[in-house]
Amino acid sequence: EAGVAQSPRYKIIEKRQSVAFWCNPISGHATLYWYQQILGQGPKLLIQFQNNGVVDDSQLPKDRFSAERLKGVDSTLKIQPAKLEDSAVYLCASSLLAGQETQYFGPGTRLLVL
Amino acid sequence: DQQVKQNSPSLSVQEGRISILNCDYTNSMFDYFLWYKKYPAEGPTFLISISSIKDKNEDGRFTVFLNKSAKHLSLHIVPSQPGDSAVYFCAVEYGNKLVFGAGTILRVKS
Repeated sequence: EAGVAQSPRYKIIEKRQSVAFWCNPISGHATLYWYQQILGQGPKLLIQFQNNGVVDDSQLPKDRFSAERLKGVDSTLKIQPAKLEDSAVYLCASSLLAGQETQYFGPGTRLLVL
Repeated sequence: DQQVKQNSPSLSVQEGRISILNCDYTNSMFDYFLWYKKYPAEGPTFLISISSIKDKNEDGRFTVFLNKSAKHLSLHIVPSQPGDSAVYFCAVEYGNKLVFGAGTILRVKS
């Protein structure tokens, strides 16, 4: 079974530029998550989708971050414009359903904002 | 406001000995706890979990203990192996989402 795929693996941009990350979850997983992991901290949930609907985006900085999962499969996370403090690893995870279901993580995209 | 705290940033253990990683939480309503392991340049992988109706769960060399009165859980690895060297995250499932601690770097020396 293929795992969660993410691209790109690394990205370097200058502040005020925009960037987009892509995630392909495990086939059949209805729930998709985007996390931000800043160096020295644990992953922090940014947004959770159930199929193509948003379940929780309470910690998403909506003035600059946006995410979509149009067909209930792949998802993209965008930052526009980026700030220095957005430098982090962005992790995508998926699970069969929400709740006490194991979340499977992709390898992450490491973003450096200069 | 950290709801899940891992107060030891790192731990070094000799191969074959026991590794004990600790985690404290603040909310007595939390009822499902997990440990994830993360290697460099990879995403976290699920290791073991425990529900609040239990005080112990065991899976091979890994055992998680839950002390609800102290709001404390720990992960025991016996015996520790060099391949266990990784970052270990404690997490709680609450409101259909995971809240992670900051992680503990475990280094197992051979």
